[in-house]
Amino acid sequence: GAVVSQHPSRVICKSGTSVKIECRSLDFQATTMFWYRQFPKQSLMLMATSNEGSKATYEQGVEKDKFLINHASLTLSTLTVTSAHPEDSSFYICSARPQGATNEKLFFGSGTQLSVL
Amino acid sequence: GENVEQHPSTLSVQEGDSAVIKCTYSDSASNYFPWYKQELGKGPQLIIDIRSNVGEKKDQRIAVTLNKTAKHFSLHITETQPEDSAVYFCAAERLKNKLVFGAGTILRVKS
Repeated sequence: GAVVSQHPSRVICKSGTSVKIECRSLDFQATTMFWYRQFPKQSLMLMATSNEGSKATYEQGVEKDKFLINHASLTLSTLTVTSAHPEDSSFYICSARPQGATNEKLFFGSGTQLSVL
Repeated sequence: GENVEQHPSTLSVQEGDSAVIKCTYSDSASNYFPWYKQELGKGPQLIIDIRSNVGEKKDQRIAVTLNKTAKHFSLHITETQPEDSAVYFCAAERLKNKLVFGAGTILRVKS
């Protein structure tokens, strides 16, 4: 299947700093990528839809100024958690669907565990 | 919007037995239903999926069934092995819009 690479896998930062997470589709192009957040023992919650060359679409309740998304190319989307606080600690996962695919298969990255001290 | 309910929340089976996880969805327009396996500290891995124009799909020990009328679909794992232990998520999607996930099922296979 298609491969989605996410980096870093784990990051620990101090409160007030910003953290950037990268999501790359390694063997396909994706005009759309998705960012999810997952708290322990809970399901995946969609945060935003990242659109190549345009603004991201955020889900209700997700602060767009807090979670900056950039999708500058067909293979790379980044999520920046700005001025991180302990409540932002979570598991962040990206996903992507091959461009022009006739099926709907969505592939996920390996996730990033963010811990804010 | 779409709402997906999944049960049971936890499931323990003996190695070699079968495991069944069930999901229901609310939006009759949903037409794509994937299942994901997630191991601790990792991202979800697509294990099988089914479209609304198909009633059943099988891939080795894994099968998915879909009942459009009742709006429910199920994951069947036969001959379970310890490495099947993980969290399983069902999801539903309408017209490549966005996936809505169930709450997840923790599967434990006891050897």
